[in-house]
Amino acid sequence: GDSVTQKQGQVTLSEDDFLFINCTYSTTTYPTLFWYVQYPGQGPQLLLKVTTANNKGISRGFEATYDKGTTSFHLQKASVQESDSAVYFCALPASSSFSKLVFGQGTSLSVVP
Amino acid sequence: VTLLEQNPRWRLVPRGQAVNLRCILKNSQYPWMSWYQQDLQKQLQWLFTLRSPGDKEVKSLPGADYLATRVTDTELRLQVANMSQGRTLYCTCSGTGGGGNTLYFGEGSRLIVV
Repeated sequence: GDSVTQKQGQVTLSEDDFLFINCTYSTTTYPTLFWYVQYPGQGPQLLLKVTTANNKGISRGFEATYDKGTTSFHLQKASVQESDSAVYFCALPASSSFSKLVFGQGTSLSVVP
Repeated sequence: VTLLEQNPRWRLVPRGQAVNLRCILKNSQYPWMSWYQQDLQKQLQWLFTLRSPGDKEVKSLPGADYLATRVTDTELRLQVANMSQGRTLYCTCSGTGGGGNTLYFGEGSRLIVV
C-alpha cells in the first residue's frame, strides 16, 4: 500500500541554520506530494505541494523537489527562524482513494535563538 | 478566513463514556468533508470521508470506536466511544475530484481520557 516515511522524529537547530527534513514515499502512481506544517495548538496547514509537472515547490522560503528516481520529497530551508518551530508532515493521496491523505510520522522542529 | 468550525475544542472524557463532536463547513467550495485522528505521538490518520448528507460510517481502531455522520451539506458529526487513550480529532474539507486538492484542517477537538 501507499506509505510515507520521515526518519527524523525531532530536529533542533539554531536560528539561521540550514534545514533538511527527509521524506521518502512508496506508491504505485505519480501523485501530487504535500508538505503540511502544524504550529502548536493548531491544526495542520498546507506548506507546499508539488506535482510531477512542476517538480519543485517553494513557499515561505521552504522548498521541496519531487524526485521519482529516489522516491524522495525532502524539505529544505536555507535559514530557519524561531517562528519555524513546528511539526512538519510529508503526505500523499492514497491510490485507493484520492480523498484520503497518507501522512508521514512527522518531524518536530525546534529552532533556538 | 476560517473554513471549518469544530466543537468542542477539548473535552475530558471519563473512561467508557462516549463523546459527540461537531464540525461546520463555512465554505461550500470545499464540500468533501473528512475526519482525521492525531494520536499522542502526533501521527495523523485518515478515518472517514463523507461526501453527501445521509452518509454514515463506522470504524474501530486501536483505542477508540467511531461513528461518523454527514448530517447536511455543511455539518459533519463524529461519535467517539470506548476511548482508552487521548487523541485529537480533526475535521477537514477539500474540493472534489483528483488527489491534488489541498486538505484544509479545522482547529481540532482534543479528547483527554480521565
